[in-house]
Amino acid sequence: GAVVSQHPSWVICKSGTSVKIECRSLDFQATTMFWYRQFPKQSLMLMATSNEGSKATYEQGVEKDKFLINHASLTLSTLTVTSAHPEDSSFYICSARDLHIVGQFFGPGTRLTVL
Amino acid sequence: GENVEQHPSTLSVQEGDSAVIKCTYSDSASNYFPWYKQELGKRPQLIIDIRSNVGEKKDQRIAVTLNKTAKHFSLHITETQPEDSAVYFCAASTKAAGNKLTFGGGTRVLVKP
Repeated sequence: GAVVSQHPSWVICKSGTSVKIECRSLDFQATTMFWYRQFPKQSLMLMATSNEGSKATYEQGVEKDKFLINHASLTLSTLTVTSAHPEDSSFYICSARDLHIVGQFFGPGTRLTVL
Repeated sequence: GENVEQHPSTLSVQEGDSAVIKCTYSDSASNYFPWYKQELGKRPQLIIDIRSNVGEKKDQRIAVTLNKTAKHFSLHITETQPEDSAVYFCAASTKAAGNKLTFGGGTRVLVKP
């Protein structure tokens, strides 16, 4: 089946610093990647949709200048949390799909803790 | 945009009994309805999905039913086992919305041995 990886699996950073999370599709070309955020005991909330080679589409309420998304190739998308604050601490999960797949394949997630 | 409601939020069943989780959606154009199982700290795992041109789908102990007219779909787990304990999420998507998934709030299922 389709495999999606994420790196790092967890990260701890100081308030005010930036953190980059990578999402890779390992055995298929991901024309679209999605970034979600999940707070403890809550559902997955879509942050943005990124299509290879174009600007990401952000959901309402998500600051595009704070959460920078780059989808430069068909197998890699990155999410950079800029000037992180404790309230950005969460579980960030990416998913990917290709043109021929209706569903999405999820990465293992990245737990971000901002001190 | 799409809104997906999921009930119940928690469900406790005895091992061997059945579990049913229900979801409603708002966008009549939604055409794909996956169900995910998520264990603590792990990624959501697709367990079954159904498209809008099908009313029911079954895979061993798991089945999903879809009522397009009423805009609701349900997950049925029969002969529950302790390893079925997890959080289950329903979701809905439409091609017109770029196939992005809108998730329900989740159901925490506990199967008691």
